[in-house]
Parts: sequence; C-alpha cells; structure tokens
Amino acid sequence: KAGVTQTPRYLIKTRGQQVTLSCSPISGHRSVSWYQQTPGQGLQFLFEYFSETQRNKGNFPGRFSGRQFSNSRSEMNVSTLELGDSALYLCASSQGSVSGANVLTFGAGSRLTVL
Amino acid sequence: QQQVKQSPQSLIVQKGGIPIINCAYENTAFDYFPWYQQFPGKGPALLIAIRPDVSEKKEGRFTISFNKSAKQFSLHIMDSQPGDSATYFCAASIRRHKLSFGAGTTVTVRA
Repeated sequence: KAGVTQTPRYLIKTRGQQVTLSCSPISGHRSVSWYQQTPGQGLQFLFEYFSETQRNKGNFPGRFSGRQFSNSRSEMNVSTLELGDSALYLCASSQGSVSGANVLTFGAGSRLTVL
Repeated sequence: QQQVKQSPQSLIVQKGGIPIINCAYENTAFDYFPWYQQFPGKGPALLIAIRPDVSEKKEGRFTISFNKSAKQFSLHIMDSQPGDSATYFCAASIRRHKLSFGAGTTVTVRA
C-alpha cells in the first residue's frame, strides 16, 4: 500500500514569491492535514481538509491556504513568501472518521527554503 | 503557546539503557495522546498512543505511562538500541483531530 506522497521534496524560492505544495494521501483516506515543522516552533498545525472542505484551521496568516480535490489529493499554497516560511511542510492523511478511529500517517515532507 | 510541554530537549543513553521522555498538558478536553518517532529526512511515524482512561500501555519495547490527575504522560524505551536514535514527539488532540505537538526530544543511544 503506497504511503503519503508529497511533491516536490525540496524547493527554493525568493521572498515575495508564492509556492504550491502537493500531497497524495493513502488510498481510501479522506482527510488530509498539513503541518509546518521548524527548529524554533516545532510542529504546528496548519489546516485539515475532509471531503473537499476545510474542517479545522490553525493559527496561521491568510497567506497560507489549501484545498482538497474530489480524489482527496490536496495542495497548500503560500503566497508572498517570507524568510520565516522556510520550513518542512508535512502532509498527513487519515480516514477522517468523526468517531475517532483516525491514525495520522505522515509523508516525508516538502522542504521549502526562502531566500 | 505550546499546549503540550515536552522534556528533556535531548538525552544520551548507553545501549540497553532506558530513555524517559516526559510531557505535560493543560487542556483536559484532550482525549488522545500519541507518540511519534522521526528520523532525519523522514516524516514523523506513529509509535504508540494512549487514551486517558488507561494508565499504561506497552508495545514491544515502548511503554507509555499516563497520569490523568497530574496531566502528565511519559514514554519509556526499554532496552534501547542504537537504531532507536531519533527525535520523539509527544502530542495530544481531541478526537484525533488537530494534533498539538510537544517540542521534541532527540534521543541518542550509544553502542
């Protein structure tokens, strides 16, 4: 069974640019969550999508956005990049059941460097 | 602010030793407490998880102890091996959504 696939794995952007990251969840998983990992702030929740709708949102500015497609694949976008956006962006998928039977499986992440 | 406080930041043990990582939380609504293991260049992987109605859970060499009244939980790695060298994160959530992670503990097991 294929795991969570994130692309690209590495990318370099300059301040002011925008970036789009992609995530393909495990087959059958309907929930996709995004996390930002930095040495200073650790792992922080960005948002969660379930059935193409944002279900939960973290405390990040509006420059961070996401969407989910009908096949459960998800993208996140960061506009007007700042140096502090340099981070490992992790995608995690789960079945998304509200009953609580969810186990998050993480991808390897997309390493973004902003110059 | 960090909803889950994790300590220590790093620790070094000899092979066979028992690294212990501690976490504390404030939000009594949390009902799911997982531990994740992360190797360099990889995403975090679920190691073991516990619910607040259980005081201890073992899976292989990994044991979680949970103290609901103190709002604390800990991870013990029994008979640690060099392959256990990784960063460990505790986390907490409500109904397994929106995980709040601790800051992480880098464990080094010396051969």
